[in-house]
Amino acid sequence: EIVLTQSPGTLSLSPGERATLSCRASQSVSSSYLAWYQQKPGQAPRLLIYGASSRATGIPDRFSGSGSGTDFTLTISRLEPEDFAVYYCQQYGRTFGGGTKVEIK
Amino acid sequence: EVQLVESGGGLVQPGGSLRLSCAASGFTFSSYWMSWVRQAPGKGLEWVANIKQDESEKYYVDSAKGRFTISRDNAKNSLYLQMNSLRVEDTAVYYCARAPYTKGYGMDVWGQGTTVTVSS
Repeated sequence: EIVLTQSPGTLSLSPGERATLSCRASQSVSSSYLAWYQQKPGQAPRLLIYGASSRATGIPDRFSGSGSGTDFTLTISRLEPEDFAVYYCQQYGRTFGGGTKVEIK
Repeated sequence: EVQLVESGGGLVQPGGSLRLSCAASGFTFSSYWMSWVRQAPGKGLEWVANIKQDESEKYYVDSAKGRFTISRDNAKNSLYLQMNSLRVEDTAVYYCARAPYTKGYGMDVWGQGTTVTVSS
């Protein structure tokens, strides 16, 4: 079973700053099957990135994904107020990482 | 409008059973892999089960194997999760989600969730 470890657990940043979130897999994951989600309190998750680097429909281009093998990254180039949320990575439509909370500093 | 609507959640005693349903609309349900994902109070997301378009493949998280059964009725555009031998630790919001192979099973449509509480 592949385990996904996300870091940091919490990221404290100000609007306009760059956010870099990490997702590390316990064994190699095909890039085709790595996804990122955003979840706000009381809401269902929203797909941001699939295939490690493809933005889902309607996702702003300040969100980008990269990586391969066991190391993947979600980058938010300039944080907007609505971006403060919890972010999860997922592999192969199954295992989720533990999440990274992006909070306002 | 593409939509998923879950129902069937509620309060059940440990050892009891519950059947969740998910009604799909606005897309060709029979063309997609579908999934159940849950979230315990204050915790992260946990994948529960996936099912292929024709039910020929089903996959479960280890904690659900032997207790939960995922199924679908393409004629009724509906997804189901039969949950037996429920435990306190199954308490969570349960979401159904669409998981297209063309997006590497990334879940691009989600329901609003239905709450399952297992307690005596």
